Amino acid sequence: SAVISQKPSRDICQRGTSLTIQCQVDSQVTMMFWYRQQPGQSLTLIATANQGSEATYESGFVIDKFPISRPNLTFSTLTVSNMSPEDSSIYLCSALADSTDTQYFGPGTRLTVL
Amino acid sequence: AQRVTQPEKLLSVFKGAPVELKCNYSYSGSPELFWYVQYSRQRLQLLLRHISRESIKGFTADLNKGETSFHLKKPFAQEEDSAMYYCAPSSGTYKYIFGTGTRLKVLA
Repeated sequence: SAVISQKPSRDICQRGTSLTIQCQVDSQVTMMFWYRQQPGQSLTLIATANQGSEATYESGFVIDKFPISRPNLTFSTLTVSNMSPEDSSIYLCSALADSTDTQYFGPGTRLTVL
Repeated sequence: AQRVTQPEKLLSVFKGAPVELKCNYSYSGSPELFWYVQYSRQRLQLLLRHISRESIKGFTADLNKGETSFHLKKPFAQEEDSAMYYCAPSSGTYKYIFGTGTRLKVLA
């Protein structure tokens, strides 16, 4: 298994600013993912964070809005740029446990944009 | 398009009653299928996966390829089963598509 931590756990931000969310895994993993969970809705995959190369974004998500870094096999960041109230969501990081193909999730970051 | 449907947003049952949470999927190829659960104030966690064919906390899930369903079942619900349940097929690239989720409430 993999234990995942995220920072911050929550934040309240002003419109137009940016927030960087950190995700730390307690072991080396090949694949990490970022999800968004809007209020009352399910999880939507934003992108796959690739180590040593650019992230792979899903339809509807772009690098300029959600830049992602993956400097090593245990860490990734997601930045929510130029925020608007519509970006208010829970953002979750996950990592794939290579031995079982199971994704393990972080506790999430609850973002409120005013 | 790949799609997952969990038709019930909320399912309420009495303690000791059988539970069935429905999941239908529309997917190309042969996806791996998972059920994830989120208890109150806890993170999302794996409940079970099809390939393991295991029973976790009394829950089982049977894959019906003809109906493209992967319903989650438990013969006797417990109050501690109250949680949000998500069905999630995974493609060969390990990307999940999550269903909309079903909130299970087990009443005393």
